[in-house]
Amino acid sequence: DTEVTQTPKHLVMGMTNKKSLKCEQHMGHRAMYWYKQKAKKPPELMFVYSYEKLSINESVPSRFSPECPNSSLLNLHLHALQPEDSALYLCASSPTGGSPETQYFGPGTRLLVL
Amino acid sequence: GNSVTQMEGPVTLSEEAFLTINCTYTATGYPSLFWYVQYPGEGLQLLLKATKADDKGSNKGFEATYRKETTSFHLEKGSVQVSDSAVYFCALPFSGGYNKLIFGAGTRLAVHP
Repeated sequence: DTEVTQTPKHLVMGMTNKKSLKCEQHMGHRAMYWYKQKAKKPPELMFVYSYEKLSINESVPSRFSPECPNSSLLNLHLHALQPEDSALYLCASSPTGGSPETQYFGPGTRLLVL
Repeated sequence: GNSVTQMEGPVTLSEEAFLTINCTYTATGYPSLFWYVQYPGEGLQLLLKATKADDKGSNKGFEATYRKETTSFHLEKGSVQVSDSAVYFCALPFSGGYNKLIFGAGTRLAVHP
């Protein structure tokens, strides 16, 4: 099974809402990633978890809060977002987080902030 | 640090035409090189990769050769299909020691019947 799943597929939220994005993989990977992708742009790395510990935060605003409850699950908690945060949020995983490893991406959650 | 430059799109081709998407890189040493593809409404998928100079990556009829002399990793396919319509990203690892990918700007390919 080489699949990374993400839920929900689409999400609309207001600027005062709190919501969460979920990502799951069953490949036994120990590194998981969150990316943000704006329209017609490449993905931009937000966070890296390695062995359930946050190892990289690419200077992401605190209104985005990642969580890794176990090695298969990755969440992204959203609070007080701005309209410019509307984007496709992609989750990825890789075996250990060492470089260079192939990253396996999920289908993404398309987020609209009103 | 490592960087990648990819040809601007969109590229529009007829079915069965030959495809080339140019990618050049700047890097310390000889990093692995990747091509990822993003089909409409989907996430990214690894299309092919090469881990050392002169390696050729291939998958689904696509090929790319790691050429250190020209610091290039151009993507080619001899006969494209409508189903190849997608955005193609060239990528290489970040030079800072963790598994961050540096992506090119992406090239949108549209194939018409």
